[in-house]
Amino acid sequence: AQSVTQPDIHITVSEGASLELRCNYSYGATPYLFWYVQSPGQGLQLLLKYFSGDTLVQGIKGFEAEFKRSQSSFNLRKPSVHWSDAAEYFCAVANNAGNMLTFGGGTRLMVKP
Amino acid sequence: NAGVMQNPRHLVRRRGQEARLRCSPMKGHSHVYWYRQLPEEGLKFMVYLQKENIIDESGMPKERFSAEFPKEGPSILRIQQVVRGDSAAYFCASSPPNRGRHTGELFFGEGSRLTVL
Repeated sequence: AQSVTQPDIHITVSEGASLELRCNYSYGATPYLFWYVQSPGQGLQLLLKYFSGDTLVQGIKGFEAEFKRSQSSFNLRKPSVHWSDAAEYFCAVANNAGNMLTFGGGTRLMVKP
Repeated sequence: NAGVMQNPRHLVRRRGQEARLRCSPMKGHSHVYWYRQLPEEGLKFMVYLQKENIIDESGMPKERFSAEFPKEGPSILRIQQVVRGDSAAYFCASSPPNRGRHTGELFFGEGSRLTVL
């Protein structure tokens, strides 16, 4: 069975600083990987996804993520964080059929002015 | 082009009552998923439905919980005889019909937050 680990429960960065959120997955085959963002009281919005091909994927809002098979990782990055990026971020992996997502526990990002 | 619509957004029930949560998928989407988010936790898969069919209910508690997605109307997640531990946010997501290989991309609603007193 697949699983996703987000080692950092909370992260605080200063506005304008760079950001990296970690995600490690466990899956037997080539994974479908996703990052979602959840603002307080809201649903989840897809930031980016990886299915195959280029291991560096670009997403919305200036985010990118890099798939590293050797490390079973799919870390999310942003060069310069904005105050509006404060939210909770979830990494997820889809199963073989691509019809069920397993989510990590989430990382809550706080942005200092 | 409305997104996934869930109602009610907030629901308060006393222990032993029933909770019904509704989800209308995006237009053209025929797959519906329910996820539960307990406080300070990630989302846990509950059930995956297509019209009039339950495809995967491996994440549903064995008792008191049921889900349906009728031919007409929204998907319903029903919780009977609620207990305090059912307090959570329940998210519905939808995806379009399979076209060859499913992409796994889900579109989420804003959730229904159930509070059991």
